[in-house]
Amino acid sequence: EPEVTQTPSHQVTQMGQEVILRCVPISNHLYFYWYRQILGQKVEFLVSFYNNEISEKSEIFDDQFSVERPDGSNFTLKIRSTKLEDSAMYFCASHLTGMNTEAFFGQGTRLTVV
Amino acid sequence: EDQVTQSPEALRLQEGESSSLNCSYTVSGLRGLFWYRQDPGKGPEFLFTLYSAGEEKEKERLKATLTKKESFLHITAPKPEDSATYLCAVRPRGTGNQFYFGTGTSLTVIP
Repeated sequence: EPEVTQTPSHQVTQMGQEVILRCVPISNHLYFYWYRQILGQKVEFLVSFYNNEISEKSEIFDDQFSVERPDGSNFTLKIRSTKLEDSAMYFCASHLTGMNTEAFFGQGTRLTVV
Repeated sequence: EDQVTQSPEALRLQEGESSSLNCSYTVSGLRGLFWYRQDPGKGPEFLFTLYSAGEEKEKERLKATLTKKESFLHITAPKPEDSATYLCAVRPRGTGNQFYFGTGTSLTVIP
């Protein structure tokens, strides 16, 4: 069964360092997302990406964040200068064409900023 | 402001003891309501999509229903393997494709 794949599963980084979280969405999906979940809190939307550009972003997604689809399969989230409060689970999600279909989530990357 | 509230926060059931989880929402028009299951340290796993009031979906011991203000996830004769956090997410009109998630209900089924 097709699935969304995320790497690494766990990343520990020093405050101020750049991190890149990687995702391989389901191959025929066209809409891609990043969400995050701080421990014990709700899953929060960060950004959506369609047709090689950002279609929406939340207030959390400030200038320190960027996304890229560098080739036909990968979708990345970069945090330029990490802060302690960036520590969270980051989930990549994708869905099929059509605006209102369910999204499929990856297993997440646990980012710990020390 | 669009809001999603789930109750209860936590629920402990004996194996075989049926119950319901609630998701109430206040959004400016609902395009879809989605139920997900999340195991500890894992990503949300899709369960159901509901689009209009009166709609029902079933899968094994789970049944999801939708009204104009809330959705219920009914669990019939649960088993220990149903233990997980159940998340409700809505997609309001006019907000693109993003989901708004509730905080979830943590379900524990005791053998």
